[in-house]
Parts: sequence; structure tokens; C-alpha cells
Amino acid sequence: EDQVTQSPEALRLQEGESSSLNCSYTVSGLRGLFWYRQDPGKGPEFLFTLYSAGEEKEKERLKATLTKKESFLHITAPKPEDSATYLCAVQYNFNKFYFGSGTKLNVKP
Amino acid sequence: DVKVTQSSRYLVKRTGEKVFLECVQDMDHENMFWYRQDPGLGLRLIYFSYDVKMKEKGDIPEGYSVSREKKERFSLILESASTNQTSMYLCASRGANYGYTFGSGTRLTVV
Repeated sequence: EDQVTQSPEALRLQEGESSSLNCSYTVSGLRGLFWYRQDPGKGPEFLFTLYSAGEEKEKERLKATLTKKESFLHITAPKPEDSATYLCAVQYNFNKFYFGSGTKLNVKP
Repeated sequence: DVKVTQSSRYLVKRTGEKVFLECVQDMDHENMFWYRQDPGLGLRLIYFSYDVKMKEKGDIPEGYSVSREKKERFSLILESASTNQTSMYLCASRGANYGYTFGSGTRLTVV
């Protein structure tokens, strides 16, 4: 069964404490893996797209990587404004995506 | 920047009412989507449209219908609202080879 699993469900970090979020998938025919950030009461905001194993993308303190079975979102020296829920989504068809349930990140000053 | 605008941030409706959720995008995208988001269940696709007057069912279409009369506008219709349709509803649009651009969401409560 196709599935996208994110871990951990919640993560509390001190400001400056680097860590990684995981998105594992069992979807055949991956066409792309997407990361989004969602702030409370708002819609998800697009961060990255990864298309093939070994690919990496960076934006400020965030770096996304992709293997054949999982993706990591690395957060380097996070700040309180990085607190949000991070969602990953796997595209398996042109207009079809599986979303994970998200990791809620809380960065304490 | 692409903007996807949902007409209401919060709605409270009674059981049995017909409910319309409106979504407008300004980037000439062919593809538009309606999702609902519930705690622990993530985002689930209700319907999507790849062109004017074209629609396809997503994973949970029961109890919903959609309308796309103009390219920029995609409406979600709850024919007879029920309490289990209380949720956050997210509209999104997408161009080719890009991720979604989401609206801010409509939090619907059915009482």
C-alpha cells in the first residue's frame, strides 16, 4: 500500500540546535517529493521539490535531501521563526499526491 | 507571486445547509484542487480540475461536488452539510512541474 510517513510527529529544539525531519515513502513511480511549511491557521507554503535520489536543495537554514525511500529536511541552527508544521508530499501521478501528516517543530529561544 | 484566495476564513453552517466555498487564483494555472485537512489524517484530496468544466474525483469526494466555469475560479459545494464535514478546507492551484500554491484555508464548522 502506498504510504507517506513523517517522523517525528513533534520536535522541540532550542534555538541553534540543529536536527532533521524525516519523510519516508512506499510509493511506486515517484514523480517528485515536495516539502511545505504550514503556520497555524494558514495554508501550506511551498519550500522544495526533489525529483531524483541524491538530489539536494537548500534555502536559508533548510536543506532537503532525497534517497530512494526517504527524504530528510535538515534544519541548521534553527531560530524561533522556523517554528511551524512541515509537510512532505509525494507525487505519484500528474495531479495526484500523497501527503504525510506533518512534523510540528517548536524552536525555543 | 501566485495568489490563491479563498473567500472565507471561517464559516459556521447548520446541518443540512448547502455550502459554497469559493477559490480564485491569479496565475492562469490549469490545475486547481480542493483538499480537507484534519488532525492526524493529513491532507486528503476531495476533487481537482485540470481545465474549465473538467473535474475529477479525489480520494474522498462523497458529499461534495465542484464547479469550474472559469479558469481562475474553482468552487467546492457541500450539498447537505453534515457535522463530519467540519474541517479545514484548502484550495490550491498548480502549474506544470511545480508544487501547489495553497490558499489560506477556510475553517468550516457544521453545527
